[in-house]
Amino acid sequence: DIVMTQSPDSLAVSLGERATINCKSSQSVLNSSNNKNYLAWLQQKPGQPPKLLIYWASTRESGVPDRFSGSGSGTDFTLTISSLQAEDVAVYYCHQYYSTPSYTFGQGTKLEI
Amino acid sequence: VQLVQSGAEVRKPGSSVKVSCKPSGGTFSSYALSWVRQAPGQGLEWMGRIIPLLGVSDYAQKFQGRVTISADTSTNTAYMELGSLRSEDTAVYYCATFGNGLDIWGQGTKVTVSS
Repeated sequence: DIVMTQSPDSLAVSLGERATINCKSSQSVLNSSNNKNYLAWLQQKPGQPPKLLIYWASTRESGVPDRFSGSGSGTDFTLTISSLQAEDVAVYYCHQYYSTPSYTFGQGTKLEI
Repeated sequence: VQLVQSGAEVRKPGSSVKVSCKPSGGTFSSYALSWVRQAPGQGLEWMGRIIPLLGVSDYAQKFQGRVTISADTSTNTAYMELGSLRSEDTAVYYCATFGNGLDIWGQGTKVTVSS
């Protein structure tokens, strides 16, 4: 299985400041035939199911605020929140869907104010 | 479209549980439907998936032989059945469709395994 490792495990950022979460995969999730990275970012708030924020490493899901952005390729990826809002407090997961049938997730990063 | 799951379950060790997932306001698309679980205070764990319209499923190696994911297109319902339950299977179980990533999630079904 592809192992996804996030850093840090937890992060405290002031309102209005930038938050950066990293994700590293144990092998590349870039499909060279279509040049797509099979990497998504999910947000989970307490008591709620996860919500898709970013797919193909950098494409925002419809309705996701543009302060959320994803970057990276191959094995190293980053989720950036440009200006932290109170409602962004959550746990964030990276998720690879390159290796089927063995999708895997990072361990999660807890983001606090 | 929303995914609506069945209610919470309590089971004894060694028994099995079957959780359902049904799209409200629509039918299953041609996309795959995955099952993901989350133990208390833990992260997400992908269990397997099915393409309902084809009836084709595959599973994470960890759950091979213990989980069965199925779909009934006549009732527009997908199922995840987990057998030989142990305390470590206590978790919230989610279904989620895969469009662009896992984009639509059910509300989750809490399964408690306790003697």
